[in-house]
Amino acid sequence: DTGVSQNPRHKITKRGQNVTFRCDPISEHNRLYWYRQTLGQGPEFLTYFQNEAQLEKSRLLSDRFSAERPKGSFSTLEIQRTEQGDSAMYLCASSLADEQYFGPGTRLTVT
Amino acid sequence: GEDVEQSLFLSVREGDSSVINCTYTDSSSTYLYWYKQEPGAGLQLLTYIFSNMDMKQDQRLTVLLNKKDKHLSLRIADTQTGDSAIYFCADDAGGYNKLIFGAGTRLAVHP
Repeated sequence: DTGVSQNPRHKITKRGQNVTFRCDPISEHNRLYWYRQTLGQGPEFLTYFQNEAQLEKSRLLSDRFSAERPKGSFSTLEIQRTEQGDSAMYLCASSLADEQYFGPGTRLTVT
Repeated sequence: GEDVEQSLFLSVREGDSSVINCTYTDSSSTYLYWYKQEPGAGLQLLTYIFSNMDMKQDQRLTVLLNKKDKHLSLRIADTQTGDSAIYFCADDAGGYNKLIFGAGTRLAVHP
C-alpha cells in the first residue's frame, strides 16, 4: 500500500501526558498537512510543510503542539501536557500538486 | 474568514440520484473538492473541480459549480448502499497551504 500511513491508529492517554503521532506521506509528495477533526465536524487545518519547512501554522496550534518534518519525508506531531479538549482524530495528508490524499488518522482519547 | 457550509443530512432511496450541496465564501478559491468519509476512516478524495469550470463528470459523479453564487454540488447517479457515508466539501482558499472544510453531509441510502 503506497498511501499515507499514520501511527498509532488509536491512542489513549491520561491528562497531562505527552503524546507523539507519526505520519508517512506518499513517496515524493513534497507537501504534508496536519488536520484535526472532532465529532460531527469537518477537518480543521493545523499546519503545513513544504519539504522540511513548516510554512503555515493555524492559531489552533497552541504552544503545547509541535510538528516536525526533519528530512522532508515523515512528520511527527507532538502534544505536550494533553488536555481533554485535545481528544480528536488527527489526520495527515500529503500532496504533490492540487490533490491532498489523507491517511486513516490517529484517534486520540484523553482521559 | 473563509467559510464552507453544507446541509447536514440527506436520505435517498437506492437507485435514485443524490444531490449534495455546498456554499463557500472565498472568492480566491482555485480548486473545490469533494471527499468521502466512512465510519472510523480517513477521507477519500472523490473528485475536484477547477474554479473556472462549470461542470465535471466522473463516472457516476457530476460536480456543478456556480462561481457567481459560490455554490457547489455533487450529484451521485444510481446511488448504492455503499455510498452511505459523510461527504465533505472543501476549498483551497486560493493556495496550496490548506483546505477549508464544511461540516459534512451524512448520506443515508435506504432500500
